Amino acid sequence: DTEVTQTPKHLVMGMTNKKSLKCEQHMGHRAMYWYKQKAKKPPELMFVYSYEKLSINESVPSRFSPECPNSSLLNLHLHALQPEDSALYLCASSQGQGSTGNTIYFGEGSWLTVV
Amino acid sequence: QKEVEQNSGPLSVPEGAIASLNCTYSDQGSQSFFWYRQYSGKSPELIMFIYSNGDKEDGRFTAQLNKASQYVSLLIRDSQPSDSATYLCAVNYFGGRISQGGSEKLVFGKGTKLTVNP
Repeated sequence: DTEVTQTPKHLVMGMTNKKSLKCEQHMGHRAMYWYKQKAKKPPELMFVYSYEKLSINESVPSRFSPECPNSSLLNLHLHALQPEDSALYLCASSQGQGSTGNTIYFGEGSWLTVV
Repeated sequence: QKEVEQNSGPLSVPEGAIASLNCTYSDQGSQSFFWYRQYSGKSPELIMFIYSNGDKEDGRFTAQLNKASQYVSLLIRDSQPSDSATYLCAVNYFGGRISQGGSEKLVFGKGTKLTVNP
């Protein structure tokens, strides 16, 4: 079983709604990630937090807003999304960054549908 | 642009056969390579990682890495129907020193769908 926990598992939201996806890990990992995966496509990186600081933003639209309150928690705040944002959102964590073989572990994902 | 290429498949093998999955990558500086398995409707699950040239075996799985050819493969021996899934090759790209604001990220290939027929 994955030690990266994501909530909710399923979310349906309207285009004017504000919602959040939450992620938690208790492995002592210092890097956390958000990936987005569309059907029949590989995961695509959105954001990386390293030691609670945002280190990578892959030119993600501002309607997605990440937050890392502490080293165990990662949130993704959603506002004014579009139907094409419907996807599986994957949270992941790794021990750190900058070391060979830094393995990334994924949570079970949050299925988002924008209506 | 960092790229990871996989045979798109689909790949179909009979139960008990060896399934061979291949992957090439574009950045000669890459150090870490991963294989993930993803069942339909589920998140990616780590199968193997490798960072030294040669073979690495774990049960029925063998990962092979050839940095000179920028090639990594996954062999699944004695394939089982439960191995039917999409297999994602992933390469960890590192851009610069962490102390200077560099970061690393995992880039995935498009995946190969494997079907093991009973």
